[in-house]
Amino acid sequence: DQQVKQNSPSLSVQEGRISILNCDYTNSMFDYFLWYKKYPAEGPTFLISISSIKDKNEDGRFTVFLNKSAKHLSLHIVPSQPGDSAVYFCAASNFGNEKLTFGTGTRLTIIP
Amino acid sequence: NAGVTQTPKFQVLKTGQSMTLQCAQDMNHNSMYWYRQDPGMGLRLIYYSASEGTTDKGEVPNGYNVSRLNKREFSLRLESAAPSQTSVYFCASSPTSGSANTGELFFGEGSRLTVL
Repeated sequence: DQQVKQNSPSLSVQEGRISILNCDYTNSMFDYFLWYKKYPAEGPTFLISISSIKDKNEDGRFTVFLNKSAKHLSLHIVPSQPGDSAVYFCAASNFGNEKLTFGTGTRLTIIP
Repeated sequence: NAGVTQTPKFQVLKTGQSMTLQCAQDMNHNSMYWYRQDPGMGLRLIYYSASEGTTDKGEVPNGYNVSRLNKREFSLRLESAAPSQTSVYFCASSPTSGSANTGELFFGEGSRLTVL
């Protein structure tokens, strides 16, 4: 039972355009959401997070949107750069719970 | 600034052999974790440790044991390896635990294990 789903295994975007990565969750108890970025042969690195009391969080080129009623979150990257090519994992937890549930990942390729 | 260090980076085992994956962090973090990454499955939590001396099961603990040797080190042991344990294993740490845990983890580079 996949509680966090990333339905697009891959996404290709032109450099300079907006990249939108999507994530859906089924567990209504989740109240904290995170995005991680992973390059080949490296561990994932934390990118941005959002708590359920907000519907938007921005950090430079990265913005995460949360739609609690739809149990959906998205990561927007604008403008997209070649260095953004990586696998992006969505993750969710109950705040204060040690267990983080990850999605299956979306491979983003930025085309120069 | 080493962060989270895992050894070995690569290992090939035969079915039934045992081995231990080592993990150490130099950031004085309280919580440590072991995840496995498999194609199409994302990252799944095997075991975690909220503090020195405590360990708890994650989503996929069967076939594994862990030891939180001290605050810095958290090892993962496969007592009798099986082909289903072929995976990439990631150790991670977090500066907070319990009610303060935000899920912001620092990961090692991974250990690729193949069981024949």
